[in-house]
Amino acid sequence: QKEVEQNSGPLSVPEGAIASLNCTYSDRGSQSFFWYRQYSGKSPELIMFIYSNGDKEDGRFTAQLNKASQYVSLLIRDSQPSDSATYLCAVNRMISNYQLIWGAGTKLIIKP
Amino acid sequence: NAGVTQTPKFRILKIGQSMTLQCTQDMNHNYMYWYRQDPGMGLKLIYYSVGAGITDKGEVPNGYNVSRSTTEDFPLRLELAAPSQTSVYFCASIKEGISLQPQHFGDGTRLSIL
Repeated sequence: QKEVEQNSGPLSVPEGAIASLNCTYSDRGSQSFFWYRQYSGKSPELIMFIYSNGDKEDGRFTAQLNKASQYVSLLIRDSQPSDSATYLCAVNRMISNYQLIWGAGTKLIIKP
Repeated sequence: NAGVTQTPKFRILKIGQSMTLQCTQDMNHNYMYWYRQDPGMGLKLIYYSVGAGITDKGEVPNGYNVSRSTTEDFPLRLELAAPSQTSVYFCASIKEGISLQPQHFGDGTRLSIL
C-alpha cells in the first residue's frame, strides 16, 4: 500500500461544476494535510491545508478531513478552465513532523 | 523577496559527469529540502536540512550529496550522473519544523542525463 494514494486521473469536469479530488493515507499519526496545485512545467503551489476533522473552506475551495477513515478530499466549486492542473496531496510523517509524504497527484481537466 | 531560487533551470549531462544544483532562499528559513519529481509522479525527498551544518537523508538519497554551510544555501551534488537521475529537481524551504507550515518551492531544475 502506498503511503499517500490518489487517483491519477485524468478527471474531466465541465466548467461550472464541482470537482472532487480524493486522497487516502496510511500513517494514522499524521496531523497535517496539504493540497498543492501544479501546472504543467511549474512548481507546486499551496491551495489549502487542514489539520482538524471536518471541512475547511477558502473561496471556491473546500478541504475535507476524516482521520478515522484516513481520507482527505478537495472540492472545487464553480470549476474554471484555469483550475486545470495536477493536484498533489501531501501528508506529514508522524515520526518526522517536518517531512511530507506526497501522493502522485490527480490530473484535473476542466472542459469549457 | 526572491523566495527560493534554483539554478540552473535546465541542464543536460553525460553519464558519469558531476554537477551541483544550487538552491538559495532569502526568507531566513531554517528548514530546506531537495525533492525529485519523475514524470507522472509525486515528489520524492532526497535530502533535507534543519539548519546550517545539519543534513539528513530522505527517501531517495543514493547518488546525491548535500551540504549546508549557511542558512541561505543548500546545494545538491550529483557525483556520477546516471540516466536514472533524469528528473525535475525542486528545492523547498520552511521557517521551522512546524507541521502546519506550507513549503515554499523554487522553480525547479530540469536535468537530463544522456
